Amino acid sequence: QSVLTQPPSVSAAPGQKVTISCSGSSSNIGNHYVSWYQQLPGTAPKLLIYENNKRPSGIPDRFSGSTSDTSATLGITGLQTGDEADYYCGTWDSSLSYVIFGGGTKLTVL
Amino acid sequence: EVQLVETGGGLMQPGGSLRLSCAASGLSVSNNYMTWVRQVPGKGLEWVSVIYTSGKTYYIESVKGRFTISRDNSKNTLYLQMDSLRAEDTAVYYCARRGNNLNDYFFDYWGQGTLVTVSS
Repeated sequence: QSVLTQPPSVSAAPGQKVTISCSGSSSNIGNHYVSWYQQLPGTAPKLLIYENNKRPSGIPDRFSGSTSDTSATLGITGLQTGDEADYYCGTWDSSLSYVIFGGGTKLTVL
Repeated sequence: EVQLVETGGGLMQPGGSLRLSCAASGLSVSNNYMTWVRQVPGKGLEWVSVIYTSGKTYYIESVKGRFTISRDNSKNTLYLQMDSLRAEDTAVYYCARRGNNLNDYFFDYWGQGTLVTVSS
């Protein structure tokens, strides 16, 4: 069981918006930056969001990140079928002293 | 363009050893915080180990004393020596670059991964 809790799955129609939550505690999300990763089937994870809400070069602004207290949220607008993937949150945990990831959320674009 | 290419995975019996390699181009392994992250097929991501620019190394508890991360600056290659392998080490192993500030805990470049299967 992951220290960071994500919903196993979310779904939405093309063009719609979806949010994916990541719940943690004061030893991780509450005091450290969160990053988000997209993993398309059969490929390596790809960084989508770092430092809670920053996008690396090349990541469209359809993807956004936010945090509140001990939770983080990834938002995706204008859903496309190509967004179907697993999404993971990650951050440092000061109690464990290493980087941790959420269990992942499978996004289905109906 | 940054490229990380892992090799060395395969099938190994419990108790055996494997050495994974991660050949880097477009970045210097000695000037970056380089890590290994693994993923059991169909499951989530798990950080395994990091080597800092200083040479200091850290491991997740479950691999301490069995795995060793290292680098060869002349070959610009990262390694993971895996000894006393267990069935629960079965996973795809990715090398990845971590953000280079001490408070940067994100991974911005990833290799394609190499599958390690530990089974008798």
